[in-house]
Amino acid sequence: ILNVEQSPQSLHVQEGDSTNFTCSFPSSNFYALHWYRWETAKSPEALFVMTLNGDEKKKGRISATLNTKEGYSYLYIKGSQPEDSATYLCAFDAGGTSYGKLTFGQGTILTVHP
Amino acid sequence: EAQVTQNPRYLITVTGKKLTVTCSQNMNHEYMSWYRQDPGLGLRQIYYSMNVEVTDKGDVPEGYKVSRKEKRNFPLILESPSPNQTSLYFCASSDVSGNTEAFFGQGTRLTVV
Repeated sequence: ILNVEQSPQSLHVQEGDSTNFTCSFPSSNFYALHWYRWETAKSPEALFVMTLNGDEKKKGRISATLNTKEGYSYLYIKGSQPEDSATYLCAFDAGGTSYGKLTFGQGTILTVHP
Repeated sequence: EAQVTQNPRYLITVTGKKLTVTCSQNMNHEYMSWYRQDPGLGLRQIYYSMNVEVTDKGDVPEGYKVSRKEKRNFPLILESPSPNQTSLYFCASSDVSGNTEAFFGQGTRLTVV
């Protein structure tokens, strides 16, 4: 079983703060790295799918970077809003014979206080 | 509307009583999978399917069965549920390429007493 770690486990910030969290994954046999946003009582929804070393993706105030050589990805939220409160999940796809199979980290629970 | 539909959303059952959780997707995706989510453990894959009649074990397959007779449906079967299968279950589908996003169902909250 692949080891995908996310840190921190939880984070409390004030509205307007910028924040970031980390996803660490095996640096060998990389195929893709996914980020999902999971709000309470809803289903996870994709934010980004990243495949190339050095990839940077952006969606509104949320952006992500990828370093496949050292095995990490950062997710950034600029000017956090209460509606950003959610669990953020990363998922690693090693490709090869197991491509499409996602191994998830435990998630980072973000709470944005008004 | 592109969607993955799971049923039921909530289920309370007794130990040993067979149950099936259905999953259906309307996006013509080849790849479908089942996950369970437990506190502190993240989403763990139970079974997956690369296409019709092709299924394989994920990381935590014990106590579960699946079938893929049609491309759109991927039911999860618990032949003899036990309390340690109390969990939140998600079905997901995606294109087989893997570098496209997974679409998740609404989740099924299962309690086995």
